Amino acid sequence: DQQVKQNSPSLSVQEGRISILNCDYTNSMFDYFLWYKKYPAEGPTFLISISSIKDKNEDGRFTVFLNKSAKHLSLHIVPSQPGDSAVYFCAASDRGSTLGRLYFGRGTQLTVWP
Amino acid sequence: DTEVTQTPKHLVMGMTNKKSLKCEQHMGHRAMYWYKQKAKKPPELMFVYSYEKLSINESVPSRFSPECPNSSLLNLHLHALQPEDSALYLCASSQGFWFDSVNYGYTFGSGTRLTVV
Repeated sequence: DQQVKQNSPSLSVQEGRISILNCDYTNSMFDYFLWYKKYPAEGPTFLISISSIKDKNEDGRFTVFLNKSAKHLSLHIVPSQPGDSAVYFCAASDRGSTLGRLYFGRGTQLTVWP
Repeated sequence: DTEVTQTPKHLVMGMTNKKSLKCEQHMGHRAMYWYKQKAKKPPELMFVYSYEKLSINESVPSRFSPECPNSSLLNLHLHALQPEDSALYLCASSQGFWFDSVNYGYTFGSGTRLTVV
């Protein structure tokens, strides 16, 4: 039973526009949420995280929004660039777990076209 | 050095072979992880080492045997694998404290693409 869900396997966006990647979770004990980006033949790279006590965290072109009541988070990329084309994984962790054990979603393939 | 290095990048092995995957980091991270990822699936946690001690084993079959010889090295010994064990094996490391792990994320290696024939 997957506790972190990314229901859109793919997303295609024009360069310069906003990319919105969505993630839902079921475990109300999750305290932190993270986004990772993965290029082919490389390991996932950490992008941004958000604590459950916040509803927004911003880092340059990347903003993550958290809606705890809906158990939903989203990653906004503005403006999107072709180099952003990658698989994006949403992940979650709860304070009760050891060492920040992460639960991953299945990923969304983002394609940014010129 | 801000990398996790995994070797080999690709491995093909028979079901009767014994092989090992190697992972190395020199960032002073005290927690190291093995994940397994199959195509179009999320990474699945296998093992966690904290301060060189095994702290999580996610009911992984005994044909996978982890080893942490020191704080910089993590090995995964493979023996009598099955074709369904073919996957991308990812190593990761983190600071070792929950707060650091979730605020700064893991550092992942590029993985070893394993094919069992």
